[in-house]
Amino acid sequence: SQTIHQWPATLVQPVGSPLSLECTVEGTSNPNLYWYRQAAGRGLQLLFYSVGIGQISSEVPQNLSASRPQDRQFILSSKKLLLSDSGFYLCAWSVGGSGELFFGEGSRLTVL
Amino acid sequence: KQEVTQIPAALSVPEGENLVLNCSFTDSAIYNLQWFRQDPGKGLTSLLLIQSSQREQTSGRLNASLDKSSGRSTLYIAASQPGDSATYLCAVRFRGGSARQLTFGSGTQLTVLP
Repeated sequence: SQTIHQWPATLVQPVGSPLSLECTVEGTSNPNLYWYRQAAGRGLQLLFYSVGIGQISSEVPQNLSASRPQDRQFILSSKKLLLSDSGFYLCAWSVGGSGELFFGEGSRLTVL
Repeated sequence: KQEVTQIPAALSVPEGENLVLNCSFTDSAIYNLQWFRQDPGKGLTSLLLIQSSQREQTSGRLNASLDKSSGRSTLYIAASQPGDSATYLCAVRFRGGSARQLTFGSGTQLTVLP
Protein backbone atom coordinates (compact mmCIF):
# COMPACT_ATOMS: atom_id res chain seq x y z
CA SER A 1 0.00 0.00 0.00
CA GLN A 2 1.04 3.58 -0.49
CA THR A 3 2.33 5.69 2.37
CA ILE A 4 3.59 9.22 2.68
CA HIS A 5 6.14 10.39 5.23
CA GLN A 6 6.77 13.98 6.16
CA TRP A 7 9.33 15.41 8.59
CA PRO A 8 10.06 17.07 10.87
CA ALA A 9 6.67 17.12 12.56
CA THR A 10 7.44 20.27 14.50
CA LEU A 11 9.99 23.01 13.91
CA VAL A 12 10.73 26.28 15.71
CA GLN A 13 13.09 28.55 13.79
CA PRO A 14 14.32 32.13 14.21
CA VAL A 15 13.62 34.74 11.57
CA GLY A 16 16.28 34.70 8.87
CA SER A 17 17.23 31.05 9.34
CA PRO A 18 16.97 28.45 6.56
CA LEU A 19 14.27 25.81 6.23
CA SER A 20 14.09 22.32 4.84
CA LEU A 21 10.99 20.13 5.05
CA GLU A 22 11.06 16.70 3.45
CA CYS A 23 8.40 14.41 2.11
CA THR A 24 8.68 10.93 0.62
CA VAL A 25 6.06 8.65 -0.87
CA GLU A 26 6.28 4.87 -0.88
CA GLY A 27 4.39 2.25 -2.84
CA THR A 28 3.76 4.19 -6.04
CA SER A 29 5.71 5.45 -9.02
CA ASN A 30 5.69 8.85 -10.71
CA PRO A 31 3.21 10.45 -8.33
CA ASN A 32 2.12 14.06 -8.62
CA LEU A 33 3.44 15.81 -5.49
CA TYR A 34 2.14 18.89 -3.73
CA TRP A 35 3.05 21.26 -0.92
CA TYR A 36 0.16 23.02 0.83
CA ARG A 37 0.14 25.50 3.69
CA GLN A 38 -2.69 25.72 6.19
CA ALA A 39 -2.73 28.97 8.12
CA ALA A 40 -5.15 29.58 10.95
CA GLY A 41 -8.43 30.92 9.62
CA ARG A 42 -7.23 30.91 6.01
CA GLY A 43 -7.81 27.38 4.77
CA LEU A 44 -5.50 25.35 2.57
CA GLN A 45 -3.30 27.07 0.02
CA LEU A 46 -1.43 25.21 -2.71
CA LEU A 47 2.21 26.33 -2.77
CA PHE A 48 3.98 24.00 -5.20
CA TYR A 49 3.13 21.19 -7.56
CA SER A 50 5.34 18.66 -9.34
CA VAL A 51 4.58 16.14 -12.08
CA GLY A 52 8.09 14.69 -12.22
CA ILE A 53 11.74 14.94 -11.22
CA GLY A 54 12.95 18.51 -11.50
CA GLN A 55 9.54 19.78 -12.63
CA ILE A 56 8.17 22.32 -10.18
CA SER A 57 5.25 24.70 -10.58
CA SER A 58 4.83 27.55 -8.13
CA GLU A 59 1.27 28.60 -7.43
CA VAL A 60 1.91 31.74 -5.42
CA PRO A 61 4.87 34.10 -5.13
CA GLN A 62 6.58 33.68 -1.79
CA ASN A 63 9.71 33.26 0.21
CA LEU A 64 9.77 29.49 -0.33
CA SER A 65 11.06 27.11 -2.99
CA ALA A 66 10.58 23.43 -3.74
CA SER A 67 12.69 20.71 -5.29
CA ARG A 68 12.14 17.15 -6.44
CA PRO A 69 15.51 15.41 -6.58
CA GLN A 70 14.02 11.92 -6.83
CA ASP A 71 10.75 10.51 -8.14
CA ARG A 72 9.18 10.10 -4.71
CA GLN A 73 10.92 12.87 -2.78
CA PHE A 74 9.70 16.44 -2.44
CA ILE A 75 11.51 19.13 -0.46
CA LEU A 76 10.29 22.55 0.68
CA SER A 77 13.00 25.09 1.41
CA SER A 78 13.70 28.66 2.32
CA LYS A 79 16.99 30.53 2.53
CA LYS A 80 15.70 33.07 5.07
CA LEU A 81 12.49 32.55 6.99
CA LEU A 82 10.00 35.34 7.65
CA LEU A 83 7.51 35.56 10.49
CA SER A 84 4.75 35.15 7.93
CA ASP A 85 6.11 31.72 6.96
CA SER A 86 4.73 30.26 10.19
CA GLY A 87 2.03 27.70 9.57
CA PHE A 88 1.14 24.08 9.07
CA TYR A 89 2.75 22.59 5.95
CA LEU A 90 1.26 19.57 4.30
CA CYS A 91 2.73 17.34 1.62
CA ALA A 92 0.34 15.41 -0.60
CA TRP A 93 0.39 13.07 -3.57
CA SER A 94 -1.94 11.84 -6.27
CA VAL A 95 -1.80 9.54 -9.26
CA GLY A 96 -2.41 11.77 -12.22
CA GLY A 97 -3.48 15.37 -12.13
CA SER A 98 -7.10 14.74 -11.17
CA GLY A 99 -6.78 11.67 -8.99
CA GLU A 100 -7.58 11.25 -5.35
CA LEU A 101 -5.33 13.35 -3.13
CA PHE A 102 -3.56 11.85 -0.09
CA PHE A 103 -1.88 13.92 2.60
CA GLY A 104 1.00 13.46 4.97
CA GLU A 105 0.82 14.17 8.69
CA GLY A 106 2.02 17.73 8.33
CA SER A 107 4.86 19.88 9.70
CA ARG A 108 4.16 22.66 12.17
CA LEU A 109 6.56 25.57 11.59
CA THR A 110 6.83 28.42 14.05
CA VAL A 111 9.08 31.32 13.12
CA LEU A 112 10.09 33.52 16.04
CA LYS B 1 -14.71 33.00 -9.17
CA GLN B 2 -14.76 29.31 -8.26
CA GLU B 3 -15.49 28.91 -4.57
CA VAL B 4 -16.41 26.16 -2.12
CA THR B 5 -18.53 26.90 0.93
CA GLN B 6 -19.26 24.77 3.97
CA ILE B 7 -22.02 25.70 6.36
CA PRO B 8 -22.21 25.50 9.32
CA ALA B 9 -18.68 26.16 10.49
CA ALA B 10 -19.32 24.10 13.61
CA LEU B 11 -21.84 21.45 14.60
CA SER B 12 -22.45 19.62 17.86
CA VAL B 13 -24.63 16.50 18.06
CA PRO B 14 -25.34 13.77 20.63
CA GLU B 15 -23.86 10.33 20.06
CA GLY B 16 -25.95 8.01 17.89
CA GLU B 17 -27.52 10.76 15.82
CA ASN B 18 -27.46 10.66 12.02
CA LEU B 19 -26.12 13.89 10.55
CA VAL B 20 -25.51 15.68 7.28
CA LEU B 21 -22.63 18.01 6.43
CA ASN B 22 -23.09 20.40 3.53
CA CYS B 23 -20.79 21.62 0.80
CA SER B 24 -21.72 24.02 -1.98
CA PHE B 25 -19.68 25.12 -4.99
CA THR B 26 -20.13 27.90 -7.49
CA ASP B 27 -19.43 26.15 -10.80
CA SER B 28 -21.03 22.89 -11.94
CA ALA B 29 -18.17 22.10 -14.32
CA ILE B 30 -16.06 19.89 -12.10
CA TYR B 31 -13.76 16.89 -12.43
CA ASN B 32 -14.47 15.51 -8.98
CA LEU B 33 -15.17 16.31 -5.36
CA GLN B 34 -13.35 14.91 -2.35
CA TRP B 35 -14.28 14.79 1.35
CA PHE B 36 -11.56 14.84 3.99
CA ARG B 37 -11.36 14.53 7.73
CA GLN B 38 -8.78 16.43 9.79
CA ASP B 39 -8.07 15.77 13.46
CA PRO B 40 -6.45 18.59 15.48
CA GLY B 41 -2.79 19.03 14.58
CA LYS B 42 -2.90 16.27 11.99
CA GLY B 43 -2.92 15.93 8.24
CA LEU B 44 -6.02 15.38 6.12
CA THR B 45 -7.46 11.90 5.72
CA SER B 46 -9.32 11.19 2.50
CA LEU B 47 -12.81 9.87 3.15
CA LEU B 48 -14.53 9.73 -0.21
CA LEU B 49 -13.87 10.80 -3.78
CA ILE B 50 -16.82 11.37 -6.13
CA GLN B 51 -16.15 11.70 -9.84
CA SER B 52 -18.29 14.14 -11.82
CA SER B 53 -20.13 11.22 -13.47
CA GLN B 54 -21.15 9.75 -10.12
CA ARG B 55 -24.08 10.65 -7.86
CA GLU B 56 -22.83 9.12 -4.62
CA GLN B 57 -20.13 7.12 -2.88
CA THR B 58 -20.32 5.04 0.28
CA SER B 59 -17.75 3.88 2.79
CA GLY B 60 -18.95 2.23 5.98
CA ARG B 61 -21.14 4.69 7.88
CA LEU B 62 -20.33 7.48 5.43
CA ASN B 63 -22.27 8.37 2.31
CA ALA B 64 -21.43 11.30 0.07
CA SER B 65 -23.74 12.61 -2.61
CA LEU B 66 -23.10 14.93 -5.51
CA ASP B 67 -25.57 17.16 -7.36
CA LYS B 68 -23.62 19.12 -9.93
CA SER B 69 -26.60 21.01 -11.30
CA SER B 70 -27.33 22.59 -7.95
CA GLY B 71 -23.66 22.83 -6.96
CA ARG B 72 -24.06 20.78 -3.82
CA SER B 73 -22.59 17.80 -2.04
CA THR B 74 -23.57 16.28 1.28
CA LEU B 75 -21.71 13.95 3.60
CA TYR B 76 -24.06 11.75 5.59
CA ILE B 77 -22.72 10.16 8.76
CA ALA B 78 -24.88 7.41 10.24
CA ALA B 79 -24.99 6.57 13.93
CA SER B 80 -22.39 9.16 14.91
CA GLN B 81 -19.74 8.30 17.51
CA PRO B 82 -17.44 10.48 19.64
CA GLY B 83 -14.56 9.25 17.46
CA ASP B 84 -16.18 11.02 14.52
CA SER B 85 -15.35 14.37 16.13
CA ALA B 86 -13.06 16.22 13.74
CA THR B 87 -13.09 18.92 11.07
CA TYR B 88 -14.57 17.77 7.78
CA LEU B 89 -13.38 19.49 4.60
CA CYS B 90 -14.84 19.41 1.14
CA ALA B 91 -12.62 20.04 -1.89
CA VAL B 92 -13.57 20.47 -5.53
CA ARG B 93 -11.46 20.11 -8.65
CA PHE B 94 -12.99 22.52 -11.13
CA ARG B 95 -12.73 22.28 -14.89
CA GLY B 96 -11.57 25.34 -16.76
CA GLY B 97 -8.97 26.23 -14.19
CA SER B 98 -5.84 24.34 -13.31
CA ALA B 99 -6.73 20.63 -13.15
CA ARG B 100 -4.20 20.18 -10.39
CA GLN B 101 -5.82 22.78 -8.18
CA LEU B 102 -8.25 21.59 -5.55
CA THR B 103 -10.39 24.35 -4.08
CA PHE B 104 -11.07 23.70 -0.41
CA GLY B 105 -13.95 24.77 1.74
CA SER B 106 -13.20 26.17 5.18
CA GLY B 107 -14.53 23.04 6.88
CA THR B 108 -17.19 22.05 9.40
CA GLN B 109 -15.94 21.28 12.91
CA LEU B 110 -18.01 18.36 14.20
CA THR B 111 -18.30 17.45 17.87
CA VAL B 112 -20.13 14.27 18.81
CA LEU B 113 -21.06 14.31 22.48
CA PRO B 114 -21.01 11.04 24.44
